This record gives sequence, C-alpha cells and structure tokens, in this order.
Amino acid sequence: ETGVTQTPRHLVMGMTNKKSLKCEQHLGHNAMYWYKQSAKKPLELMFVYSLEERVENNSVPSRFSPECPNSSHLFLHLHTLQPEDSALYLCASSQVAGTTTEAFFGQGTRLTVV
Amino acid sequence: AQSVTQLDSHVSVSEGTPVLLRCNYSSSYSPSLFWYVQHPNKGLQLLLKYTSAATLVKGINGFEAEFKKSETSFHLTKPSAHMSDAAEYFCVVTPSSNTGKLIFGQGTTLQVKP
Repeated sequence: ETGVTQTPRHLVMGMTNKKSLKCEQHLGHNAMYWYKQSAKKPLELMFVYSLEERVENNSVPSRFSPECPNSSHLFLHLHTLQPEDSALYLCASSQVAGTTTEAFFGQGTRLTVV
Repeated sequence: AQSVTQLDSHVSVSEGTPVLLRCNYSSSYSPSLFWYVQHPNKGLQLLLKYTSAATLVKGINGFEAEFKKSETSFHLTKPSAHMSDAAEYFCVVTPSSNTGKLIFGQGTTLQVKP
C-alpha cells in the first residue's frame, strides 16, 4: 500500500460511454499526476496538478478531462474514447518543495475501450 | 532538455547471478534520478533515489545504483538475483526545475531463470 488509491481497478467501456477514474492520496502531498502506460511504450505524462492548479497538459485529446477538487483527490473524466485509449492509467502524487522528492504511484486502472 | 535511455529492453539472468540494468541520462542541470520497479498488473514502486548526496545509493530488496556524472550513467545492480525480482524496471530523471515532472526511460524487463 503506497498511500495512493485508484478506483476502479478495471474498467471496460464502450466508445459512447462516459466514465471517470478516481485517485485519492493520503500522504499530504501537494502535487498529483496522471500517466498513461500502453503496451510497448514508455509511460506518458498526461496531466500535472500542483497546489490544485493544472500546470501541465501534454497535448492530451479533449476526450480526457482532468479534475482536481482538492489536494487529495484527482479525477480523470472520460468520454467518447477510442480503442487506442485502452491502457493502464496510473495516478501519482509527490511533494513539490525545495528539494525533489519521489512520486508515489497507485495500482492503476486497467481501461479497455470496446 | 532532460532525457533518459535504458540501454537494454530485456535482460535475462539465472537465479543467484548478478543483475545489471543500464541507464544513461541527459540533463542540463544536476538531476535527481530514480529507479522504479513494476510487477505485473501493479503500480510502480520506488527502488532507490539519487538526489546529489552519496553517489552510491542503496535501495530496497538488495538493489543499489551508482551515479557517475562523467559517464552520465545511473546503472542498477544487485549481487544475486531472486525469482521475485522478475519485473519491469524504469530509470527516471527529474529536472531541478521542481515541477515534480518525471521523465521515464523505456523500461527494462528482467527475466530470472531458475
């Protein structure tokens, strides 16, 4: 248990569905992240929230919409996804301060788009 | 710009023999470097980190890594492999700009044969 919890662990959705991924961190960190991990590809950073403000958006399609209502919670809202969006979606948190600290990762949500 | 290259996509060793996973980085700053491990269908777990203190870093499960600035390397080693070490390993760099952004290598799959 890393202190970062993601739900659901598995999700199958159709291309016309709307669903949300949830991430919660219990570590008191001030930054949260969404990563996408596809087979045979490096981890891709999707979004960064620092102090609840989005500070990075790496050219992610608008069918992915993040939300960070407070420093402990992060959501990824999904709509009209494509089959190529099937992947493991990982949430992470870290404390961004004077010195760099490591990120702690959740177990991930395995998303399958049919 | 910062980047990290893992020189081997797949490494196979016999149980009880040494492990060497190679990583080279590129950074304009003094970077922080990490190694993470990912077991099948799990999130990422931090093995060890380098943050400009001792150049030889010891981590969990008997792993260690040495930061060599002259070679821009941060190779991961373990004297004796266990079957439970079979997993995907990621070398990660973060710039000193302190956004918390992590830059991942492509990953190395470690296979341990009995």
